[in-house]
Amino acid sequence: KAGVTQTPRYLIKTRGQQVTLSCSPISGHRSVSWYQQTPGQGLQFLFEYFSETQRNKGNFPGRFSGRQFSNSRSEMNVSTLELGDSALYLCASSPKSSYNEQFFGPGTRLTVL
Amino acid sequence: DQQVKQNSPSLSVQEGRISILNCDYTNSMFDYFLWYKKYPAEGPTFLISISSIKDKNEDGRFTVFLNKSAKHLSLHIVPSQPGDSAVYFCAATALIQGAQKLVFGQGTRLTINP
Repeated sequence: KAGVTQTPRYLIKTRGQQVTLSCSPISGHRSVSWYQQTPGQGLQFLFEYFSETQRNKGNFPGRFSGRQFSNSRSEMNVSTLELGDSALYLCASSPKSSYNEQFFGPGTRLTVL
Repeated sequence: DQQVKQNSPSLSVQEGRISILNCDYTNSMFDYFLWYKKYPAEGPTFLISISSIKDKNEDGRFTVFLNKSAKHLSLHIVPSQPGDSAVYFCAATALIQGAQKLVFGQGTRLTINP
């Protein structure tokens, strides 16, 4: 089975712009979660989607949003980018809504200038 | 509020010796704990987990110990190998208000010296 894929792998944006990141889960996995990784903060949970519905949400501002399509692929959008949004964004998929069986993608490195 | 803390940002260990990575948590509702390993340019990969009903789980060279009274868990790697050099994240989950929460620590960078 192919693993979790994320596109693009690297992205450079400027403050005020918006960005959309994409995640394709492992075939058959219905849950997709998004995380932000920054030095010193570890992985911070953004949100989880299961069968096209947001099931869980972390403590991030409304500039961060996401969605999931019927084929379980997910997108994450960040609007009005700030310098502090520079981070590695990881998505993880699991067969059901369980954090005990997550498989991570390689991440998208976002740099905001 | 960092509910899961890895207080050592880095650790350096001689090849063949034991590596001990520590993790503390504050929320007593956490009932399942996981360790992930992350190499540069790759996503984290699941390593080992432990349920709160146990105090030890072993898988080959990796053993996780859980001390619920101290709200502390540790990962032991013995013997340490150069390929173990990576960033290790501990994570904890709990069902809170009907939703499962997963919280990660900040990570510890382990370097195994030959």
